[in-house]
Amino acid sequence: EPEVTQTPSHQVTQMGQEVILRCVPISNHLYFYWYRQILGQKVEFLVSFYNNEISEKSEIFDDRFSVERPDGSNFTLKIRSTKLEDSAMYFCASSEWVSTNYGYTFGSGTRLTVV
Amino acid sequence: DQQVKQNSPSLSVQEGRISILNCDYTNSMFDYFLWYKKYPAEGPTFLISISSIKDKNEDGRFTVFLNKSAKHLSLHIVPSQPGDSAVYFCAASGNPGGGADGLTFGKGTHLIIQP
Repeated sequence: EPEVTQTPSHQVTQMGQEVILRCVPISNHLYFYWYRQILGQKVEFLVSFYNNEISEKSEIFDDRFSVERPDGSNFTLKIRSTKLEDSAMYFCASSEWVSTNYGYTFGSGTRLTVV
Repeated sequence: DQQVKQNSPSLSVQEGRISILNCDYTNSMFDYFLWYKKYPAEGPTFLISISSIKDKNEDGRFTVFLNKSAKHLSLHIVPSQPGDSAVYFCAASGNPGGGADGLTFGKGTHLIIQP
């Protein structure tokens, strides 16, 4: 069964540093997303991406955050000037269709720890 | 501001019985509702969805009921199996035709199936 692959599974970074979280969505999917889950809290939407541009972003996705699809297969989330409160599990997701009826396929997540 | 609420953090059900997971929402603009299951160290897995034009959708052991007037939906699992033990997230989308918008998740309910 096709999977969304995320690397690394765990990333530790010092506060103020930049991190790049990587995702390989399912190959025929057209819509890509990043979500995060702070420990003990709900899964929160960060950003959606379609046709090489951001479709929608939440308030969490401030100007320290950026996304890119550099080579047609990878989908990356970059966080500059990381803060302690960025520590969370970051999930990448992709979907083939525009309708949410079919749900998204999520990756296993990258646990980001900012120290 | 909790637009999607799952008021039971955990639920314990005996194997073979029915599991009923509840979800309430406050935003009347939500038109699609989805349930995801999440095992530890994995990303959420799509289970089943329902459009606001329906009041029931069934897929095998899983049935989702929607009461739009009460802004309430529930997931029924019959019969419950040990492998159903997981955290279940209710999610909603406000875009009738678009998957580009992010999903709003509830905090999740930890379902424990007891032998």
